[in-house]
Amino acid sequence: QQQVKQSPQSLIVQKGGISIINCAYENTAFDYFPWYQQFPGKGPALLIAIRPDVSEKKEGRFTISFNKSAKQFSLHIMDSQPGDSATYFCAASKQARGNKLVFGAGTILRVKS
Amino acid sequence: NAGVTQTPKFRVLKTGQSMTLLCAQDMNHEYMYWYRQDPGMGLRLIHYSVGEGTTAKGEVPDGYNVSRLKKQNFLLGLESAAPSQTSVYFCASRRTDPTEAFFGQGTRLTVV
Repeated sequence: QQQVKQSPQSLIVQKGGISIINCAYENTAFDYFPWYQQFPGKGPALLIAIRPDVSEKKEGRFTISFNKSAKQFSLHIMDSQPGDSATYFCAASKQARGNKLVFGAGTILRVKS
Repeated sequence: NAGVTQTPKFRVLKTGQSMTLLCAQDMNHEYMYWYRQDPGMGLRLIHYSVGEGTTAKGEVPDGYNVSRLKKQNFLLGLESAAPSQTSVYFCASRRTDPTEAFFGQGTRLTVV
């Protein structure tokens, strides 16, 4: 079963627009929710992460919004730039032996200039 | 500072052949992981290790074996490759507390 569901599969946004990617999770034991960014031919790299004790975290143009009751979290990219074109993965893990990350299916973002 | 290094970067195998993928990390991380990435399926955990000499199964372990004889290295083996194992494989490492996982550059494997 897919523990983290991500949408949309792909997204096209105009330069300067807002990109929004959503994720929903099932396991209420998850306590760490990162977003990873991946460029073609590269490994995923951490973009921003949040823990469930806060509802929002902002780093530059990137913001995570977290809704614990709805078991959902989302990534907002403000003023999207062509350089933001990449694949984005949401993930979740819980404090347990191995701290295994469970990933969403990914969203391919293209920012048109 | 190399981080996580995977070798090889590309490989083509014939069905039934075997190979080993090597992952090395220089951050003294306890936890190491092998994922496979397939279009539309995200990253799925194959096997992981919580320390030197330990291994455990992940979500999709069938057809793979792993070993962690040294803390800095995590090997992924395919004993008899199948076309269904055509994928991009990523190794990652992480500290014991739930913070950033660092990924290697990936190995693109094609089984024909």
